[in-house]
Order: sequence, then structure tokens, then C-alpha cells
Amino acid sequence: GAGVSQSPSNKVTEKGKDVELRCDPISGHTALYWYRQSLGQGLEFLIYFQGNSAPDKSGLPSDRFSAERTGGSVSTLTIQRTQQEDSAVYLCASSHKMNTEAFFGQGTRLTVV
Amino acid sequence: RKEVEQDPGPFNVPEGATVAFNCTYSNSASQSFFWYRQDCRKEPKLLMSVYSSGNEDGRFTAQLNRASQYISLLIRDSKLSDSATYLCVVPFLDTGRRALTFGSGTRLQVQP
Repeated sequence: GAGVSQSPSNKVTEKGKDVELRCDPISGHTALYWYRQSLGQGLEFLIYFQGNSAPDKSGLPSDRFSAERTGGSVSTLTIQRTQQEDSAVYLCASSHKMNTEAFFGQGTRLTVV
Repeated sequence: RKEVEQDPGPFNVPEGATVAFNCTYSNSASQSFFWYRQDCRKEPKLLMSVYSSGNEDGRFTAQLNRASQYISLLIRDSKLSDSATYLCVVPFLDTGRRALTFGSGTRLQVQP
């Protein structure tokens, strides 16, 4: 079956521009996570969605970051006024329900120049 | 104390060796824990789920010690293809925040 799909796979953007990253989770998965990983570093939690509950946004690094999950399926992570320190791989994962095994997409490699 | 701690390594071992990693966690009410592996420049992939006291899958054995708050991963008869970073994952149900907290990973390099 289809896994977690992320797009684009690579994105190069100029400093100050806004970017949108998309995540299409596994069908039927109610939990969706966003993480980011800088080169050589561990996974940094950003946000997670669980069903219709209010998302846990506690990991978002600044108010330039926001995310939505429409209809309990596709999610979009938006970064406004990108900075060079936003350069990282942004990983999305989904799981059948909260705190069960999560499956990752291949990530979006964001480079801010 | 970090919520999930792992020795970053690297662990350099010869082919055929047995190697073990530990992961310690701060208080968690979770009933399940996970090990993932991550290859260079790839996404993490689920290796094993750990429920109750442990799990075994071929050359891989994971054990949970709730009293001491650690999870271990044992790899027997190491293969070159086992070279990767191994991530310990702990859901923190009691905090209600940041479900699926990842450790920073332990790097394994299996040498011929």
C-alpha cells in the first residue's frame, strides 16, 4: 500500500520567502507528526495532530512556523520569511493512532540561500 | 536529565560481533517503545516495537526494564548492512506533549 508521501522532495528558496511543505499520510492514520533534522543532528519535534483534537504545537521554533491538517488527512507545514537556519530535512510521519508505530515519509530537504 | 538519552557512539565493531545499545528515559507512562534505524540521508524506519518486557526478531532483541527506565537493543552476528544510526523512541503519555520523543541516536559502524 502507499506510504507517507511528502512533496517537494527538495526545495531551494531565497531567504525571506515563504515555503509550503506537504505531507500525505497513510490512509486511515489519525496521528500525524512533523519533525525536522539538521545535518548530523537528531530529530526535532515540531507539531503533531491527533484526530480532531487541537494540535500539539509545542515544538514549533517560532511564529514563522505553522501547520494545518485539513479533513484529517493531508497536512501542510508553512514557514514564513525563511531564514538560513531553517535549512534542514523536514520529516512527516503518521501512525494509526497516537503513540503507536509511526511511519515516515522520505522528507523534504529545504535549503535557504 | 534529557527525556530520552542514548550514547551517540560511534560503536565500531567487526562483522559477526554482538553489540548492545542502551536507551534511558525519564518517567513515562507509556506501554510501548520503539527502535528505529536511520541510514545516512534517509528517513527513519521502524525496526522493532517493544511491548511488555521485550521483543525478538531474528538477530535483533529488544528488552525493556521499567524499574531502571531503560530499553536495550542487542544485535547478534552483525552484518555490514547493520551500519546505521539506531534511534530509541519513547511516547510520553503522562506529559501529553510531544508524543513519540526520539533519542538523538547511536551510530553503529560494522567493519569487514
